[in-house]
Amino acid sequence: QQPVQSPQAVILREGEDAVINCSSSKALYSVHWYRQKHGEAPVFLMILLKGGEQKGHEKISASFNEKKQQSSLYLTASQLSYSGTYFCGTDYGDEGGKLIFGQGTELSVKP
Amino acid sequence: NAGVTQTPKFQVLKTGQSMTLQCAQDMNHEYMSWYRQDPGMGLRLIHYSVGAGITDQGEVPNGYNVSRSTTEDFPLRLLSAAPSQTSVYFCASSYDPYSTSQGPYLTQYFGPGTRLLVL
Repeated sequence: QQPVQSPQAVILREGEDAVINCSSSKALYSVHWYRQKHGEAPVFLMILLKGGEQKGHEKISASFNEKKQQSSLYLTASQLSYSGTYFCGTDYGDEGGKLIFGQGTELSVKP
Repeated sequence: NAGVTQTPKFQVLKTGQSMTLQCAQDMNHEYMSWYRQDPGMGLRLIHYSVGAGITDQGEVPNGYNVSRSTTEDFPLRLLSAAPSQTSVYFCASSYDPYSTSQGPYLTQYFGPGTRLLVL
């Protein structure tokens, strides 16, 4: 089952914060976050494993709530370079090698 | 190290024609996958492979065939193209998650994509 992302789109001013959520109807083993710039391939941001800690990279971090079967991506003090479409990918741990992506969240950061 | 390569970059087909989208990787990854991307639908998994000789269906496998005769190559075949297959196709590869010497679990390295238009 495809995970559900929210919101579908968000517009920010530089310096503002945003949260993107990813929810699954099935128990998760891991959650991956990717960013895709227009016309390019998705690029890996981070992975959160079941039982693992919250991950972060500079001003982008993510959390994983196993009980609620959801993950959230936090973008702090957004920069113009953060613009793009963000995808969460979910692995349920029962079918090796299979990563299912959500429908994406389009983030636009304006000056 | 070229990473994941895909050919062609762009293709126009007529309904009913067949074609093969090529994908190759030089990172010695065991796992490879094909996704299609359509507006508002995100990335949907078509087929995937956990090693040479092993393939399995993803979310939207109908109309597509795959085979994996080598670790490096994972071609996607459209036997009889339909307008509904107009999309951007991405191939991806990842490490074997049970190989502890290699990177993060199931991290996908994507190719540049193939834009397919079926008329």
